[in-house]
Amino acid sequence: AQSVTQPDARVTVSEGASLQLRCKYSYSGTPYLFWYVQYQRQGLQLLLKYYSGDPVVQGVNGFEAEFSKSDSSFHLRKASVHWSDSAVYFCAASHHNYAQGLTFGLGTRVSVFP
Amino acid sequence: EAAVTQSPRNKVTVTGGNVTLSCRQTNSHNYMYWYRQDTGHGLRLIHYSYGAGNLQIGDVPDGYKATRTTQEDFFLLLELASPSQTSLYFCASSDWTSSAETLYFGSGTRLTVL
Repeated sequence: AQSVTQPDARVTVSEGASLQLRCKYSYSGTPYLFWYVQYQRQGLQLLLKYYSGDPVVQGVNGFEAEFSKSDSSFHLRKASVHWSDSAVYFCAASHHNYAQGLTFGLGTRVSVFP
Repeated sequence: EAAVTQSPRNKVTVTGGNVTLSCRQTNSHNYMYWYRQDTGHGLRLIHYSYGAGNLQIGDVPDGYKATRTTQEDFFLLLELASPSQTSLYFCASSDWTSSAETLYFGSGTRLTVL
């Protein structure tokens, strides 16, 4: 069965520092991959998605992610975080049956301190 | 921008109670989903639908019914609520006519079963 693993439940960073959130997927082929963000008391919002081509994809608010087939990973990065980046970040992969939507990781809670 | 509206925002009921969660999307998306979000489990798919009158079972359907009355409206029904169904519920919609479509989420309904 496919799965998405986010090994870090919580990450704390200082404002202005760089951020990397890890995501590993287990899938029989190459799934479509997504990063979503959830701000407090809100629904999930799409940051970026990958389905083919350049392995580095750009998203909103300065986020980017890099796909690696050899490593089965899709890590998210940001060069310089702002306090407003404090949120929960979810990595997700498309289900084999696309109609079933996405399989989500457990999420990584990011806290940005001044 | 896709819009998905959930109601109510918060709901408290007692064990054995009858609860209906509502979701409306205004973008003519064909697919709609109900997820529950719990600490340690991430988001788990309860039911989904690809059109009015259609219902498909997700990964954690026990204790839940759903009904898609129109293209826009998708309801989640808990006919005998139990404390284990205390959770944050999200509705989402998408249009899987292309390969990697985005899920648009509502703001969630927090359900407490006493």
